[in-house]
Amino acid sequence: QKEVEQNSGPLSVPEGAIASLNCTYSDRGSQSFFWYRQYSGKSPELIMSIYSNGDKEDGRFTAQLNKASQYVSLLIRDSQPSDSATYLCAVTGSARQLTFGSGTQLTVLP
Amino acid sequence: NAGVTQTPKFQVLKTGQSMTLQCAQDMNHNSMYWYRQDPGMGLRLIYYSASEGTTDKGEVPNGYNVSRLNKREFSLRLESAAPSQTSVYFCASSEIAGGFQETQYFGPGTRLLVL
Repeated sequence: QKEVEQNSGPLSVPEGAIASLNCTYSDRGSQSFFWYRQYSGKSPELIMSIYSNGDKEDGRFTAQLNKASQYVSLLIRDSQPSDSATYLCAVTGSARQLTFGSGTQLTVLP
Repeated sequence: NAGVTQTPKFQVLKTGQSMTLQCAQDMNHNSMYWYRQDPGMGLRLIYYSASEGTTDKGEVPNGYNVSRLNKREFSLRLESAAPSQTSVYFCASSEIAGGFQETQYFGPGTRLLVL
């Protein structure tokens, strides 16, 4: 079982819709959770970090964490073509190092 | 404030050649990392340095060595390149505060092709 799993996609949504990206992790000791966005040919950049159960909102982005279910998600409201990218879920395990999922490719259709 | 810089941006090697990838950060971070990214496999940790003077293996260390030259610089060396090391290499830096991993900031990457 992979330590961090994401729905592999690709995921396509129309412009203005909500995009939902999901991630599960296996290490119950995980404490820090991150969503990174990576445009093709570029380096990852942080979108959201979340450390406590519940929702965290930042503009059009909402991260949701459920430690009991070992599940973290990212919602993108009012999706724009500029949101088209690969989204990487990353989790800090008990070794305090980040483990990345393989990413979900999102395409927002105009 | 350049953040994390990497050199070179692109490199072609022949099997058996050696090279060093350079990384520097100007954010005064204690921790630095080297990852490789292969298609469909996300980012995998090669080596990391939690602080100046320390280095530790990550998930895929075989075939690589690292040097934490000072607080700013962290280099990755391939002693004898193999085609399996064809990848995109990212350097990153961060702080770990209160036991929590802080945001990792990534360099622009080095694209390596081993023939």
